Amino acid sequence: EVQLVESGGGLVQPGRSLKLSCVASGFTFNNYWMTWIRQAPGKGLEWVASITNTGGSTYYPDSVKGRFTISRDNAKSTLYLQMNSLRSEDTATYYCTRGAAGGGNYFDYWGQGVMVTVSS
Amino acid sequence: DIRMTQSPASLSASLGETVNIECLASEDIYSDLAWYQQKPGKSPQLLIYNANSLQNGVPSRFSGSGSGTQYSLKINSLQSEDVATYFCQQYNNYYTFGAGTKLELK
Repeated sequence: EVQLVESGGGLVQPGRSLKLSCVASGFTFNNYWMTWIRQAPGKGLEWVASITNTGGSTYYPDSVKGRFTISRDNAKSTLYLQMNSLRSEDTATYYCTRGAAGGGNYFDYWGQGVMVTVSS
Repeated sequence: DIRMTQSPASLSASLGETVNIECLASEDIYSDLAWYQQKPGKSPQLLIYNANSLQNGVPSRFSGSGSGTQYSLKINSLQSEDVATYFCQQYNNYYTFGAGTKLELK
């Protein structure tokens, strides 16, 4: 059974940093692109970051580029999201997702999500 | 950036009814479109990919269609467990989502 379990969320002050983790199980982690998606309270879904199966390439939207860094440790089947210079608009539930068919397309499995609140 | 305009924003329907949700892309996305269902307090779940392919385990009352810039999700014979918010997503050029359609029972 595919499982994605996020951790590391919490309350953080504006301008500070936080690192999220996502432990994957039930599939061969190093065969799949992985992506972080977020959802602000009561709002829609927003792409945050993606990484290829080897970790050799990463992709970000302009809203987080230069502040967030996605990475992975294939030996530990773990995905990370380092978030720096956090802003109130980064407040959201962050989901770890698996790219279907190994590639960067749609997302066939989602974690339960982890809440990040940016507030003073 | 490709913009996804989803309609309606909310929808009220009766059990057994057929429901249609639309998604309009700002440019041709060549059927690189997925639909997700999100129930309250839960993570989104994949329903449809490649515009019209049903994900394993998804009931056959769900179907997707469309091409170019216009796509739709159809739910036949609405069931109580279909109450949820539905999102479309394009993956032709990175990833963008529609704003969602909240489906309620009448």
